[in-house]
Amino acid sequence: QVQLVQSGAEVKKPGASVKVSCKASGYTFTIYDINWVRQATGQGLEWMGWMNPNSGSTGYAQRFQGRVTMTRNTSTSTAYMELSSLRSEDTAVYYCASVDYGDIDYWGQGTLVTVSS
Amino acid sequence: SSELTQDPAVSVALGQAVRITCQGDSLRSYYASWYQQKPGQAPVLVIYGKNNRPSGIPDRFSGSKSGNTASLTITGAQAEDEADYYCKSRDSSGDLFVFGTGTRVTVL
Repeated sequence: QVQLVQSGAEVKKPGASVKVSCKASGYTFTIYDINWVRQATGQGLEWMGWMNPNSGSTGYAQRFQGRVTMTRNTSTSTAYMELSSLRSEDTAVYYCASVDYGDIDYWGQGTLVTVSS
Repeated sequence: SSELTQDPAVSVALGQAVRITCQGDSLRSYYASWYQQKPGQAPVLVIYGKNNRPSGIPDRFSGSKSGNTASLTITGAQAEDEADYYCKSRDSSGDLFVFGTGTRVTVL
């Protein structure tokens, strides 16, 4: 069965960077895009960007441009999302999702990133 | 504009129908997908495309679109449908996506 397993919770100081991983199994990693979505406590979903694991192409939401980098390692079927210059407002649960923009829509369990001095 | 606006909350009596709307300029060009999210869980896709349900989603969930408004209708709401619902669609560029502001559905 398809599984996306994300890395564990992180605590970071303001100004630091965080890199969240998302390991895929149960399907061919390169055939579906990976999307990253975050959700602050009690808030709505926020779409961050997409990555094509085959080509490495990416597209980032404007508000994250310059601060987010999405990469992958096809040999380990793992996607990564790195967010830099962290501030308290970046405290949230970060999700990866494997999607085909149709009925294929698998989500990881989420990774809590806490930004605190 | 790339914003998708939803009513913050709606309530529905058990067994009745409820419609959740999502408004945005990009919906004139693109369909919305709809997600259900229960507390402490990852979102689940319930509608995609014109009006398609992924495998396992009950047929009481349906979607539609008119002009700049997409709608999710739950016909015969059940207690387990109580959740937050989010629309998602492409933005005006067509290359990126945006989520709606979310609607909390309470089943009375």
